[in-house]
Amino acid sequence: NAGVTQTPKFRVLKTGQSMTLLCAQDMNHEYMYWYRQDPGMGLRLIHYSVGEGTTAKGEVPDGYNVSRLKKQNFLLGLESAAPSQTSVYFCASSPSGTPTNQPQHFGDGTRLSIL
Amino acid sequence: QQQVKQSPQSLIVQKGGISIINCAYENTAFDYFPWYQQFPGKGPALLIAIRPDVSEKKEGRFTISFNKSAKQFSLHIMDSQPGDSATYFCAAVRGFQKLVFGTGTRLLVSP
Repeated sequence: NAGVTQTPKFRVLKTGQSMTLLCAQDMNHEYMYWYRQDPGMGLRLIHYSVGEGTTAKGEVPDGYNVSRLKKQNFLLGLESAAPSQTSVYFCASSPSGTPTNQPQHFGDGTRLSIL
Repeated sequence: QQQVKQSPQSLIVQKGGISIINCAYENTAFDYFPWYQQFPGKGPALLIAIRPDVSEKKEGRFTISFNKSAKQFSLHIMDSQPGDSATYFCAAVRGFQKLVFGTGTRLLVSP
C-alpha cells in the first residue's frame, strides 16, 4: 500500500521548458490536490480535483495546468517554466467529505529547480 | 495576505521540555483546525486537529488549546523528544477541504 506517490522526486529545468508532475494514489480517494511549499510561506493550494474529469483553481493557479483523466492520477503541468516556480510540490488526496473525518494524505514531494 | 499567522518561525527546546507553537486566524468561518508534522524529505502528516466548539484536545504528549474569542490556537508538545524535531504547520479549513496553512515552525529538540 504505497499511499500517494509523486514522480519525479527531483528535477532541474531551464526557463521556458515544460514538464508534467505525476501524482498517483492507491487509496481510491475522490479528492486530490496540488500544493507548493516555499520557505516562510507554508503550503499553498495550486489546483484541486473533486473527482475524475473535474478540476478547480486554488490559491496560486497561474502558470500551472492540471488534469484528472483517471481517478487515481492527478497531473500538474508547467507549460513554460519560470524561476518563480522553483519550489517543492506536494500532492495530496482525501476521501470525499469534510476534513474532520477525512484528512488529507500527502506524498513526499517533488523538488523542482528552474534555472 | 496570510490568513493564518504562525509563530515562532523556529524553536529550540531541551529534551523533556515543553514546546509551544502559536497560531492566529482572522476568518471566523473556519471550522476545523488541524496541525501537520513534516520531517525532512517527507510530506506533511496530520498530527492532531480540533473543532472550534472544543477548547482543548489531547492525544498523548500533544495538546491543542483553542481560544475562540481570541481567534487563536496553539500546539503544546509535552516531554519533548529528539524524535519530535520536525517542522509543524497549523492550518484552518472552512467547509470543503481547502486547507489554509500557517508558515511553519521548525522545532529542534536538543538531547
